[in-house]
Amino acid sequence: EIVLTQSPGTLSLSPGERATLSCRASQSVTSSYLAWYQQKPGQAPRLLIYGASSRATGMPDRFSGSGSGTDFTLTISRLEPEDFAVYYCQQYGSSPYTFGQGTKLEIK
Amino acid sequence: EVQLVESGGGLVRPGGSLRLSCAASGFTLSSFWMHWVRQAPGKGLDWVSRINSDGTTTSSADSVKGRFTLSRDNAKNTLYLQMNSLRAEDTAVYYCARGGAITGALPYYWGQGTLVTVSS
Repeated sequence: EIVLTQSPGTLSLSPGERATLSCRASQSVTSSYLAWYQQKPGQAPRLLIYGASSRATGMPDRFSGSGSGTDFTLTISRLEPEDFAVYYCQQYGSSPYTFGQGTKLEIK
Repeated sequence: EVQLVESGGGLVRPGGSLRLSCAASGFTLSSFWMHWVRQAPGKGLDWVSRINSDGTTTSSADSVKGRFTLSRDNAKNTLYLQMNSLRAEDTAVYYCARGGAITGALPYYWGQGTLVTVSS
């Protein structure tokens, strides 16, 4: 089973700032099958990024993903008020399709 | 528009059973892999199980193997999760999700979830 470790656990930033979230895998992720999700309180997760760097339908271009192998990054170029949420990475290259523990992005 | 609506959650005693349903609309269910993902109260996401498009293969997390069974009725546009021998640690919101158009293993669209509480 691939273990995903996200850092930091909590990130405190202000609107307009740049956010960088990390996801590290315990072994190489097949074909860069790494996704990022956003979840707001009381809502279902929403897919942001798949294939490590492809934006899902309708996602703003301030969200970008990068990385390969075992190290992946989600970057939000300029934070909007609606971006403060919890973010999860998931690998879907090998079953079980594990998630990271999440990074909470909070307003500073 | 893709819509997924889960139902069947509720309160059940430890050792009991429950069947969750996920009604799909806005797409042809038979063309896509489907997943269940759960989230315990205040915790992170936990992938549970997936089924391929024609229902011939499934894959599950070790924590539910032998207890949970995933099935689908493409004619009724409905996905099911039969949960047996339930434990307190199965308490969670259960989400169904549709796989991606190219990569079925990617949970692309998600429902709003149904809450399962296992307690005496």
